Amino acid sequence: KQEVTQIPAALSVPEGENLVLNCSFTDSAIYNLQWFRQDPGKGLTSLLLIQSSQREQTSGRLNASLDKSSGRSTLYIAASQPGDSATYLCAADDQTGANNLFFGTGTRLTVIP
Amino acid sequence: DAGVIQSPRHEVTEMGQEVTLRCKPISGHDYLFWYRQTMMRGLELLIYFNNNVPIDDSGMPEDRFSAKMPNASFSTLKIQPSEPRDSAVYFCASSLDPTGDTQYFGPGTRLTVL
Repeated sequence: KQEVTQIPAALSVPEGENLVLNCSFTDSAIYNLQWFRQDPGKGLTSLLLIQSSQREQTSGRLNASLDKSSGRSTLYIAASQPGDSATYLCAADDQTGANNLFFGTGTRLTVIP
Repeated sequence: DAGVIQSPRHEVTEMGQEVTLRCKPISGHDYLFWYRQTMMRGLELLIYFNNNVPIDDSGMPEDRFSAKMPNASFSTLKIQPSEPRDSAVYFCASSLDPTGDTQYFGPGTRLTVL
């Protein structure tokens, strides 16, 4: 069974700083690796999806990388803003199929104005 | 599109009562997923459907839990009888094709069983 770990559990940074969130997974036979954002009391919003054949994906100030062989992914946020404050969840499927998503416990990010 | 719709948003019930959670997926999405989120276990997949057919229910915790999808626009997750340890946030998500498309999550139902 896929196991997903996220480090750190919480992170507090001043506005404008660049930051990196880390994700590791145990089963490298993945179809996709995804990053989601969750605001308090809300559902999850997809940020980036990296297919197994890809190395990275970018959307605005966000860049996610994937290293399947080492079982690692990073989410890079450039020039952080207070509106980026949220919990960021990493999710990976496994060899049984892309439908079974296994989530990490998340990194709670606080950007201080 | 309004996105994935879930009801109710909050549910408080007493132990032993039946609880029914409802979900309307995004129109045209062939896949529907039910998840549970708790502080202790994080977000876990309970069951998913493809074209209204349950495909994998291995995440359903026990027989007290059941899920149905009578048509492409409606699904229910039922707990009978409910127990305090079922207290959690239950999310519904839908997708076109998970191999290349993300899952779109609803706002969740916060269930409290007293």
